[in-house]
Amino acid sequence: ILNVEQSPQSLHVQEGDSTNFTCSFPSSNFYALHWYRWETAKSPEALFVMTLNGDEKKKGRISATLNTKEGYSYLYIKGSQPEDSATYLCASQTGANNLFFGTGTRLTVIP
Amino acid sequence: DAGVTQSPTHLIKTRGQQVTLRCSPISGHKSVSWYQQVLGQGPQFIFQYYEKEERGRGNFPDRFSARQFPNYSSELNVNALLLGDSALYLCASSFITSTGNTIYFGEGSWLTVV
Repeated sequence: ILNVEQSPQSLHVQEGDSTNFTCSFPSSNFYALHWYRWETAKSPEALFVMTLNGDEKKKGRISATLNTKEGYSYLYIKGSQPEDSATYLCASQTGANNLFFGTGTRLTVIP
Repeated sequence: DAGVTQSPTHLIKTRGQQVTLRCSPISGHKSVSWYQQVLGQGPQFIFQYYEKEERGRGNFPDRFSARQFPNYSSELNVNALLLGDSALYLCASSFITSTGNTIYFGEGSWLTVV
């Protein structure tokens, strides 16, 4: 069992603000890091899969970075909008192709 | 294209009963995994199947079992239900099992055990 931690647990930001959250994971036996966006009553939406140290990925206003040596990833949201309100989950993938999830960061964007 | 579909979406069972949850992966995806999410926690891995063979099993008791069919759909069975089995059960599919592949999730099946 891998200990994947996310912080903060929840946060509220004003519309238009930029924000970021952290995912930390054991750097040993690392294969890939996944980010998901999960809205209530919907399926988790895959945002990024990153494998290489120094990877940076971007999707619209959302971007992510990866540091496999120190075992962390950041997710950034630029100019937050109310529709960005969701729980953001990260998961570390082992060689056995299993995902070990953190408990998520619950983001609320206030109009 | 249809995403990962799961059924039923909600169900209520009594302690001691058995339940079967079903999952249809995205067309062309051969790997199916099952996860359990209890409120306040992240999803926890239960099983992975690829080409109808079990490829991984999480830390769950033998009351949990699964199988994958020739069309790559899958069933998760839980016997002798306990109150603690109440959770959201998520199914995920991917094309192959190699790392770095996007893994897609269904909306889940909400199981309540009373």
